[in-house]
Amino acid sequence: SQTIHQWPATLVQPVGSPLSLECTVEGTSNPNLYWYRQAAGRGLQLLFYSVGIGQISSEVPQNLSASRPQDRQFILSSKKLLLSDSGFYLCAGDRASYEQYFGPGTRLTVT
Amino acid sequence: EDKVVQSPLSLVVHEGDTVTLNCSYEVTNFRSLLWYKQEKKAPTFLFMLTSSGIEKKSGRLSSILDKKELFSILNITATQTGDSAIYLCAVRNIRGGTSYGKLTFGQGTILTVHP
Repeated sequence: SQTIHQWPATLVQPVGSPLSLECTVEGTSNPNLYWYRQAAGRGLQLLFYSVGIGQISSEVPQNLSASRPQDRQFILSSKKLLLSDSGFYLCAGDRASYEQYFGPGTRLTVT
Repeated sequence: EDKVVQSPLSLVVHEGDTVTLNCSYEVTNFRSLLWYKQEKKAPTFLFMLTSSGIEKKSGRLSSILDKKELFSILNITATQTGDSAIYLCAVRNIRGGTSYGKLTFGQGTILTVHP
């Protein structure tokens, strides 16, 4: 089974600063990878997904971007953080129609 | 637009009670429905349902899917304080010819079990 690693676990950043969150996958190759944001302990909103290296699709317009430089690496970035970017960010991976596995998440607070 | 609705949004029970959580959906090209339990951090996978009427069971938890009426239920019997968590329902569709299937999540049900 696959394992999703994410870091950092928590992050406090000022408004206007850049952001880089990294996610790596272990135990599988060619996974589909996803970034979600969860606000206030509720449902997950899909931000980006990737089906392969360099292939990124955005689900919602926003201040964030994503990149996939390697098969098992997925990065979430921002050039200038907004207060509204605060939240709990989860990276997930799967293969085809199987269940998605989630990383431990990053709690981002923008001050 | 794909839509998943969970009810109730929150639920408070006492240990030993039985609870039923609901999930209804409207999704094009339905492939599967998944249930997750989320405590402090990452959601952990509980069940994946693809066929109507076949119950999936794991200990005190069970779940069933009705593809005609477009809903699923998650039952927890003899609840314990360790069952306190957010329970998330998600539905996967399949985009033809690809391995990618988007998960659409419901808002979640916050379950609190008191001793």
